[in-house]
Amino acid sequence: DAKTTQPPSMDCAEGRAANLPCNHSTISGNEYVYWYRQIHSQGPQYIIHGLKNNETNEMASLIITEDRKSSTLILPHATLRDTAVYYCIVRLPPSNDYKLSFGAGTTVTVRA
Amino acid sequence: DVKVTQSSRYLVKRTGEKVFLECVQDMDHENMFWYRQDPGLGLRLIYFSYDVKMKEKGDIPEGYSVSREKKERFSLILESASTNQTSMYLCASSKRVGQVGSPLHFGNGTRLTVT
Repeated sequence: DAKTTQPPSMDCAEGRAANLPCNHSTISGNEYVYWYRQIHSQGPQYIIHGLKNNETNEMASLIITEDRKSSTLILPHATLRDTAVYYCIVRLPPSNDYKLSFGAGTTVTVRA
Repeated sequence: DVKVTQSSRYLVKRTGEKVFLECVQDMDHENMFWYRQDPGLGLRLIYFSYDVKMKEKGDIPEGYSVSREKKERFSLILESASTNQTSMYLCASSKRVGQVGSPLHFGNGTRLTVT
């Protein structure tokens, strides 16, 4: 799996958009970008994934650059409940190798 | 929404006890997984199962076994609990390998303390 780089922490004001960057310069052509988050004392939660095109679901939007070397997760209207550690992962899709490595992630703190 | 339910949020067991951790998913997922999460070590895969009665070892299977008698249920067994098995245990499920995307859906975890 390609390695990812994320900022260790960021703050966001409640109600504003939160833009979380992720660098994955060694990504290969068939690797997907996945985002998960983990709220304190809970299991990781899947947010969104994409390959080349931008993706949007009820939780977030994922913007992938044209060269696919970086991406941004956008939480459109952050709430206090979005305070969590956010993990960007790059990996091949369906694989029997589910040795998922989350890395350190970005600790996002949403402030009132 | 996918729901992965782990039977206990907190467990305290004594060294040498046999411990059962239960996990149930309600989305008819073929794959199920057991991880443990420790500070500084991230998530480590213990075992996974891609079908009923099938199992595969992950990175750290020693001291653990698993059982999958029904599609929706995946049990982790600590044969003889030891203090180094104190950890957060996370169960996850996903669609069958071969389906694009196949994100993991996690339960809320069981924090096990072995004294």
